Amino acid sequence: DAGVIQSPRHEVTEMGQEVTLRCKPISGHNSLFWYRQTMMRGLELLIYFNNNVPIDDSGMPEDRFSAKMPNASFSTLKIQPSEPRDSAVYFCASSFRGGFFGPGTRLTVL
Amino acid sequence: DAKTTQPTSMDCAEGRAANLPCNHSTISGNEYVYWYRQIHSQGPQYIIHGLKNNETNEMASLIITEDRKSSTLILPHATLRDTAVYYCIVRVAESGGSNYKLTFGKGTLLTVNP
Repeated sequence: DAGVIQSPRHEVTEMGQEVTLRCKPISGHNSLFWYRQTMMRGLELLIYFNNNVPIDDSGMPEDRFSAKMPNASFSTLKIQPSEPRDSAVYFCASSFRGGFFGPGTRLTVL
Repeated sequence: DAKTTQPTSMDCAEGRAANLPCNHSTISGNEYVYWYRQIHSQGPQYIIHGLKNNETNEMASLIITEDRKSSTLILPHATLRDTAVYYCIVRVAESGGSNYKLTFGKGTLLTVNP
């Protein structure tokens, strides 16, 4: 198995632009998590899904952030409009008895 | 989820065992202890988890006290590549509808020295 796949690996955009991060979980895993990591705040859980249904989105910082999981093999995290304070590494993880993380997307908002 | 307490940092000599402690005094009966590590610039990596019995795999051993209020992750022969932040997390097992989210604290920075 290729593990959790995230794209893009790096994204540089300007303030106000829409950003879409993508994740392909490990086949057979029924839970998916989105995290954000910064030096100041560490690893923050944004949202997680079970069987494609959002279970807890209390970590989503504000309405500019949205996440979807249209099927078991794909999820997106969208930021619209993006702001410089959204700059961070965003991780996707899928889980079955233990979370397995992707390599992350490093987002820079100028 | 129950909170955990870990030392901020630890050092270990290469080739020696690294013993990383974690306190989780408020753990509930249905909560597991999970360990992850994060090597610089990479995503967190699952290491091991357990409920009440000691566990061992190819990466590490997990020792959980009988009262389950603390645990120790043991890397039997630490190498330079084991330098990372190690996170101890307690959470319920995954089952439909349960709140089993993984919440990361600050972890322990383990530095393995030559």
